[in-house]
Amino acid sequence: KNQVEQSPQSLIILEGKNCTLQCNYTVSPFSNLRWYKQDTERGPVSLTIMTFSENTKSNGRYTATLDADTKQSSLHITASQLSDSASHICVVSPGGSYIPTFGRGTSLIVHP
Amino acid sequence: GAVVSQHPSWVICKSGTSVKIECRSLDFQATTMFWYRQFPKQSLMLMATSNEGSKATYEQGVEKDKFLINHASLTLSTLTVTSAHPEDSSFYICSANLNGFNGYTFGSGTRLTVV
Repeated sequence: KNQVEQSPQSLIILEGKNCTLQCNYTVSPFSNLRWYKQDTERGPVSLTIMTFSENTKSNGRYTATLDADTKQSSLHITASQLSDSASHICVVSPGGSYIPTFGRGTSLIVHP
Repeated sequence: GAVVSQHPSWVICKSGTSVKIECRSLDFQATTMFWYRQFPKQSLMLMATSNEGSKATYEQGVEKDKFLINHASLTLSTLTVTSAHPEDSSFYICSANLNGFNGYTFGSGTRLTVV
C-alpha cells in the first residue's frame, strides 16, 4: 500500500529560526514528490516539485531534498516568518498514474 | 499560469437540500480534475476523479449518487452534494492537472456547513 509519513506531526518555532520537516514514503513506482503549504481552510499551494533524478531544489526560503534510494525527503525553511504558520504537506505521485498519495502534513506554528 | 478557481468559498445549507460546487481551470484545459474532502487536522482524501466527457471514477466508500460529478467541458467540473446531511459538512477541494509532470494545482476550497 502506498503511504506517505510525515514528521513531526506539529512543530512550534520562534520567528527567524530555521526548521526541517521530514517525509518518508513507500510509493512505488515513483514519479515526483511535491511539498505544499496549506493555510487553514484554504487550498494547498505548491512549494517545490522534485523528480527521481533531483536531489535538492530551492524556492526562496524553502529547500527540499530527495533521496530516492531511502525514499526520504525533507523541507528546510530558513528564517521562518509568522506567515509560515500552516500545514506543510508532502505529496508523492507514482509513475504511470496521476493519482497522488498525500501525507497528513506537519502543522508548523511560528511564534513572534 | 495554472490557476484553478473554486466557487463558492463557503456555503451553508439546510439538511435535505443540494449544493453545487464549481471548479474551473482558468488558463488551461484540464481533461482530468480531482475532488477531495478534508476533515479538520486530517489529510486530503480523494473522493473521485472527474473525467471530461465521461463518467467520474469514485474512490471506494464514496457514494456516487450522493456526490454527483459533472465534467462537461475542459475547464469546468462540478460537484453536487445531494440531500445534504450534517455529516456532509466538510472542506471540499478540487484540483486539476496541467500535466502529469508539473503536478497539481488546487482550488481554494469550499467550506460546506449543513444545518
